[in-house]
This record gives sequence, structure tokens and C-alpha cells, in this order.
Amino acid sequence: DVKVTQSSRYLVKRTGEKVFLECVQDMDHENMFWYRQDPGLGLRLIYFSYDVKMKEKGDIPEGYSVSREKKERFSLILESASTNQTSMYLCASSQNRVWSQPQHFGDGTRLSIL
Amino acid sequence: GQQLNQSPQSMFIQEGEDVSMNCTSSSIFNTWLWYKQDPGEGPVLLIALYKAGELTSNGRLTAQFGITRKDSFLNISASIPSDVGIYFCAGQLTGANSKLTFGKGITLSVRP
Repeated sequence: DVKVTQSSRYLVKRTGEKVFLECVQDMDHENMFWYRQDPGLGLRLIYFSYDVKMKEKGDIPEGYSVSREKKERFSLILESASTNQTSMYLCASSQNRVWSQPQHFGDGTRLSIL
Repeated sequence: GQQLNQSPQSMFIQEGEDVSMNCTSSSIFNTWLWYKQDPGEGPVLLIALYKAGELTSNGRLTAQFGITRKDSFLNISASIPSDVGIYFCAGQLTGANSKLTFGKGITLSVRP
């Protein structure tokens, strides 16, 4: 089974802090994704990556950056956290960009910015 | 970005009943996926469909890839309390950077 692990289930940070959300997958997947999930808005793609050191902007990249130094790990960074970034953050991975393989999700990090 | 159409937003059924959900799009997809999300958890893949007209079952769940490639259906038979959750559909184009287009989800409640 695919295992996508997010480092924290719950996180509380203060406005202006730099926040790191970590995600690790154990299936040697090439693709990794970060989403945020908000009531009434569904899942929105923030950033994704096809390979180590590669990244692409999703639909809502503003205020975020990402890092992929190793194939199994994809980090989401909130450069200066703001209250409107309070949300559920979901990481996902899929096999590669050529074949239509499903994305598998982690359990999510519920982030509160005070 | 584009989203798929899922409605209604919420459904309430009695335990033991069957329930059907659909997902529609103005665009064609090569792959349709159905996920379920329990409260406080991440979405879990239920069924993946790769071919127009395909009908696939997973236990009490059955999903179909619409012939037009613009829609998909999920049926749950003989519902039980643990079926409660949010059901998302997602469409994917082959080679389209593997990105998914999601519906907003349907929240299912099952009355004992």
C-alpha cells in the first residue's frame, strides 16, 4: 500500500512566522502535490513537483513556496504566515507524469494561524 | 481553476438504503476517480476508472465511467453507518501533468 505521511496532524502558529509542512511518501513516486481544503471551496492545488528540485505552481501559489531536495520528501513553506492561511493542508503523491495513476493522500495537517 | 459538478452538497439516507451520486464536467477526461474522506482524515481512493463505459465494483460500491467521458456515477448499496463521510470525484487527463480536477464533494449522512 502507498503510504503518504504528513509530519503533523495539528499545528498552531502565529502571524508572520515561517511555517514548514513536511510530507514523505514511501512508494518511489515521481509526482507530489500540496493542496489546501476549505469548506465550500473544495481542494485547491498550491504547488506540485515531478522530480527532485522541480516545482510547478498550482492554482493558488501566492504566499507559499515548496522544496523537493529528495524524491520521497516534499515540503510546503509559508514564508510569512497569515490568518487567511488557516486551513487543512493535504499532501498527495502519484507514480509518474506519463501514466494516469491515481493520487494518494496523506491524513492532512490542520493548520491554525493566530 | 475548473471544478467538476457534484450535487447536492449533502445527502441524508437511512441505513440499508442505496444511494447514487454523480459527477459532471464540461470537459472530457481520460480517468475518473472517486475518493472518500472521513472527518479529520485525508481522502482515500475508492475506485479508479480508465475507460469510457467501464463499470467497476469495490465491495458495496459501484462506479461507472460515462460514455461521453464527461461524467461518472458512484453507487453505494445497503448503506451502513461507516459510509458517512465526504465523497469526491476527480477527473484526470492523460499526460496533463497528472493534475486532478476535483468536485467539491458530497457529504453523506446515514441515519441508523
